Amino acid sequence: AQSVSQHNHHVILSEAASLELGCNYSYGGTVNLFWYVQYPGQHLQLLLKYFSGDPLVKGIKGFEAEFIKSKFSFNLRKPSVQWSDTAEYFCAVNWKAAGNKLTFGGGTRVLVKP
Amino acid sequence: ETGVTQSPTHLIKTRGQQVTLRCSSQSGHNTVSWYQQALGQGPQFIFQYYREEENGRGNFPPRFSGLQFPNYSSELNVNALELDDSALYLCASSLKGQGQETQYFGPGTRLLVL
Repeated sequence: AQSVSQHNHHVILSEAASLELGCNYSYGGTVNLFWYVQYPGQHLQLLLKYFSGDPLVKGIKGFEAEFIKSKFSFNLRKPSVQWSDTAEYFCAVNWKAAGNKLTFGGGTRVLVKP
Repeated sequence: ETGVTQSPTHLIKTRGQQVTLRCSSQSGHNTVSWYQQALGQGPQFIFQYYREEENGRGNFPPRFSGLQFPNYSSELNVNALELDDSALYLCASSLKGQGQETQYFGPGTRLLVL
């Protein structure tokens, strides 16, 4: 079965620190890749997405992610976090051969200390 | 805000009962997907509806069923509720046919089964 893994369950860092969240997925052919964020008390929001082309994609709020095909990875980065980045982050993969369903990783809870 | 709305926001049921959850898709979208998010986990795909027919199903038993209406809104029905059905149920809408389908999520319905 296809799977998505996020390496860190919890991350705690201080404001202005850099953030990198790992996401790996199993082989299954062509993929579309997504990062969603869930702020406390809010619904899942799209941060960024990759379909094709430049493997470095930029999203909202200063986030970016890099697709490395050879490593089956799609890691999320932000150079300098703010307290408002405290949230849970989910990586999601759509294997085109499996239709349009999204398979999510288990999520990473990020706490940014002021 | 994505424009995807769900009702009710919270629901308490007892084992064996039946429940219906509702979702209105974002304007211009023709596809609705349903996900179950258990506490501390990533969302799990239940099924997707397109043109009023089921268009893909995850690993959920037949007591989970759905409908899509001509206005693209959707219902999720769960029969014979079990304690493990307690979760946040998420609806996502998207536009099929572009080749780069992106799902946008509603706020969810939190179901507690006692």
